Amino acid sequence: SQKIEQNSEALNIQEGKTATLTCNYTNYSPAYLQWYRQDPGRGPVFLLLIRENEKEKRKERLKVTFDTTLKQSLFHITASQPADSATYLCALDAGGFKTIFGAGTRLFVKA
Amino acid sequence: DARVTQTPRHKVTEMGQEVTMRCQPILGHNTVFWYRQTMMQGLELLAYFRNRAPLDDSGMPKDRFSAEMPDATLATLKIQPSEPRDSAVYFCASATFTDTQYFGPGTRLTVL
Repeated sequence: SQKIEQNSEALNIQEGKTATLTCNYTNYSPAYLQWYRQDPGRGPVFLLLIRENEKEKRKERLKVTFDTTLKQSLFHITASQPADSATYLCALDAGGFKTIFGAGTRLFVKA
Repeated sequence: DARVTQTPRHKVTEMGQEVTMRCQPILGHNTVFWYRQTMMQGLELLAYFRNRAPLDDSGMPKDRFSAEMPDATLATLKIQPSEPRDSAVYFCASATFTDTQYFGPGTRLTVL
């Protein structure tokens, strides 16, 4: 079955730097991959979706890449701010409208 | 600003009691998901519906969990009897024909 691996260790970076989060999957390449943000005590919020035929997607300070050869997606936040501190979840299409979520990576941006 | 709503937000109950969680999806969304989130397991899909029909509930312990959509504006997740290992945050999410899911605020369940 499909497995998703995200860094379980928290990522600490300085304000203004670029944060890069990694999502690796082990089995088939999904038709699409999504990134969500989750703040403590709240539900995940959709950020970006990238399809298997797309290499890169951007939205404001966010950039997602999708490498089906490496079975990996990278999520970048440029010019990071303390308000970007949250847990970021990677989610893969599992077919039949299903989505599998990774465990998430906690990001801390220090002022 | 359309949102998914969930009730109750918090529930503390004793082992063996019945628990019912409710979700109101965003109007016009035809797909509804139930997830459970714990520190150990992360976000797990329990069941989902499309146009009110259950499509997959393989992630749900069938002996004690049940999920229904009595109408397009209400989805329910019931646990009977509840056990301490059911303690978690339960999220409902809804979607249209796109792949983006909109999550509710969750129900934090504690079973003593």
